[in-house]
Amino acid sequence: DGGITQSPKYLFRKEGQNVTLSCEQNLNHDAMYWYRQDPGQGLRLIYYSQIVNDFQKGDIAEGYSVSREKKESFPLTVTSAQKNPTAFYLCASSMQLALNYEQYFGPGTRLTVT
Amino acid sequence: AQKVTQAQTEISVVEKEDVTLDCVYETRDTTYYLFWYKQPPSGELVFLIRRNSFDEQNEISGRYSWNFQKSTSSFNFTITASQVVDSAVYFCALGSYGQNFVFGPGTRLSVLP
Repeated sequence: DGGITQSPKYLFRKEGQNVTLSCEQNLNHDAMYWYRQDPGQGLRLIYYSQIVNDFQKGDIAEGYSVSREKKESFPLTVTSAQKNPTAFYLCASSMQLALNYEQYFGPGTRLTVT
Repeated sequence: AQKVTQAQTEISVVEKEDVTLDCVYETRDTTYYLFWYKQPPSGELVFLIRRNSFDEQNEISGRYSWNFQKSTSSFNFTITASQVVDSAVYFCALGSYGQNFVFGPGTRLSVLP
């Protein structure tokens, strides 16, 4: 089945460690996105990419990094510079980076940093 | 700046009741899109509907209906004869050219049997 996979579902890390969250899609979508979800705040955009080897900062990019070496993959690294990394992270994709295309979401990764 | 407000943080209804989820948006753009997504307990957001700013026709899809009113900058979502499976967090979102997508804070709907 076509869709977006994120792994792992739950991730635990010690403070000061970098951690990479996986996101893979087989929908042949050009655009991919990373969001962060905190209780009561909705989703906030971290990074997005409209094509391979290209990505742009979203509203809360500080302390995060991404890469887009393959169309199917858009991994997110949460660095030690991110002050409050504990959150639910959602990856999404859309056919193109255009507003009339809906986004499809993965199941998310819940990251806990202690 | 763009903004989406969902004033209802949590709503509880009894099965078979109708329920309306409110969404109010702010944007200076004349061309924009509005969306509703459902997030069940599994965590994955599910797309429900997209509406562009030039189409004010209301839409009905089964038990779901949407009321778009530009005059009040609202895009409300009604579930008729609610069911337990409708229990989820519902997000309203706004996108316009040159701006990132903005999601509202979400409304948690609990449908009790």
